[in-house]
Amino acid sequence: AQRVTQPEKLLSVFKGAPVELKCNYSYSGSPELFWYVQYSRQRLQLLLRHISRESIKGFTADLNKGETSFHLKKPFAQEEDSAMYYCALLYNFNKFYFGSGTKLNVKP
Amino acid sequence: DVKVTQSSRYLVKRTGEKVFLECVQDMDHENMFWYRQDPGLGLRLIYFSYDVKMKEKGDIPEGYSVSREKKERFSLILESASTNQTSMYLCASSTTQQGSGNQPQHFGDGTRLSIL
Repeated sequence: AQRVTQPEKLLSVFKGAPVELKCNYSYSGSPELFWYVQYSRQRLQLLLRHISRESIKGFTADLNKGETSFHLKKPFAQEEDSAMYYCALLYNFNKFYFGSGTKLNVKP
Repeated sequence: DVKVTQSSRYLVKRTGEKVFLECVQDMDHENMFWYRQDPGLGLRLIYFSYDVKMKEKGDIPEGYSVSREKKERFSLILESASTNQTSMYLCASSTTQQGSGNQPQHFGDGTRLSIL
C-alpha cells in the first residue's frame, strides 16, 4: 500500500536558519511526489513537484529513490514561510495520498 | 487560473440531518475529489470521481456518498450526520492531459462543518 510519512508535526526555526521538512514514502510503482502549502486562512496550493525540478520561493526538493524520501529544503527561512506543509504522492494514475502535514513556524 | 468553489465556508448542522456540500470547478477538469482535513491526520480522501457519474471510494467513505451529474459539479452527501463528521472538508480538481503528465490538484477554500 502507498504511504506518505511526515515525521514532524511542528518545526520551529529562526529567521535566516536553514530548514528541512522531511517526507518519506512507500510505493511499489514509480513515484510522483508533490509538496503543497497552506498559509494561514488561505487555500491549499501546490508549492512544487519533483518532475519539475524547480525552486519555488527558495524551496527545493529532491526525490531520493534509494532512501524513498522527498525532503523539502530552504537554505534561509523567512517569516512568511510559516505555514502548514503537506507532502503528497500521486498513485493509481490520478489519486493523491497526503501526509499528515508539518507546521513550520519561523521565528523572528 | 483554476477556480474551485465550495458553496459554504461554514456550516452548522444537527445530528441525523442529511447534509449536502457542493463543489464547482470552472476548468473542465475530469477528476474531482473530496477530502476531510483533521489536525494531526492531514488530508484523507473520502471519494473521488474521474468522470461524470463515475465515482470511487477513497480511504474513509463510510457515512458519505457523492454525486457527479455534471462535469463541473461534485457533491458530498452526509446521509445522517454524526458528531464525528465535524471537520474541515476540502474539494479539489485535477486533469490528466495527454503528453503533459498528471497535473496537480487545485483546491477550494474548504467548508468547516460542525455537527451538533
